[in-house]
Amino acid sequence: KAGVTQTPRYLIKTRGQQVTLSCSPISGHRSVSWYQQTPGQGLQFLFEYFSETQRNKGNFPGRFSGRQFSNSRSEMNVSTLELGDSALYLCASSLVSTGAFYNEQFFGPGTRLTVL
Amino acid sequence: AQSVAQPEDQVNVAEGNPLTVKCTYSVSGNPYLFWYVQYPNRGLQFLLKYITGDNLVKGSYGFEAEFNKSQTSFHLKKPSALVSDSALYFCAVPIAGNTGKLIFGQGTTLQVKP
Repeated sequence: KAGVTQTPRYLIKTRGQQVTLSCSPISGHRSVSWYQQTPGQGLQFLFEYFSETQRNKGNFPGRFSGRQFSNSRSEMNVSTLELGDSALYLCASSLVSTGAFYNEQFFGPGTRLTVL
Repeated sequence: AQSVAQPEDQVNVAEGNPLTVKCTYSVSGNPYLFWYVQYPNRGLQFLLKYITGDNLVKGSYGFEAEFNKSQTSFHLKKPSALVSDSALYFCAVPIAGNTGKLIFGQGTTLQVKP
């Protein structure tokens, strides 16, 4: 079974631009979560989508948004980029099943975003 | 609020020696705990999880973790370290409820020297 894929792997943008990152979950996984990883702040949760609905949101400004499509693929968008948005953005998918809590998340390789 | 802490930024061990990467937790209700590993320029890989039951959990690549309720700890262990185990290790706890949000510790870099 193919793992979680993220595109693109690397991005370089300038301040003020916007960016869209894409994530394809493992087949059959309906939950997709996004995380930001930086050396200073570590791994921080951005949001989670399940069945095309945002189910959870982390403590990030409204410039960070996302969506999920009917095939469970997800995108996240960052508008008006700032230097501090430079990070590794990780997507994770998990299987959601009735009665089973906290199934492990499977992570993609990440998108390395550099804002100049 | 759910949280985990990894008290060591870096752990150094010699190849062939046992290794321990420490994690302590603070959760309300039953603890559910995870360990992940991250190799350079890669995403996180799931190692193991504790849900309930045996206090010793076995996972991938020969790793195991010991759950200790009285000490609120969930330390990652391996009997004999390999150079290839050198990586960044994270413990994590989900927020309450059946949702896909993990709270991660700050990470511990494991350095295994030949």
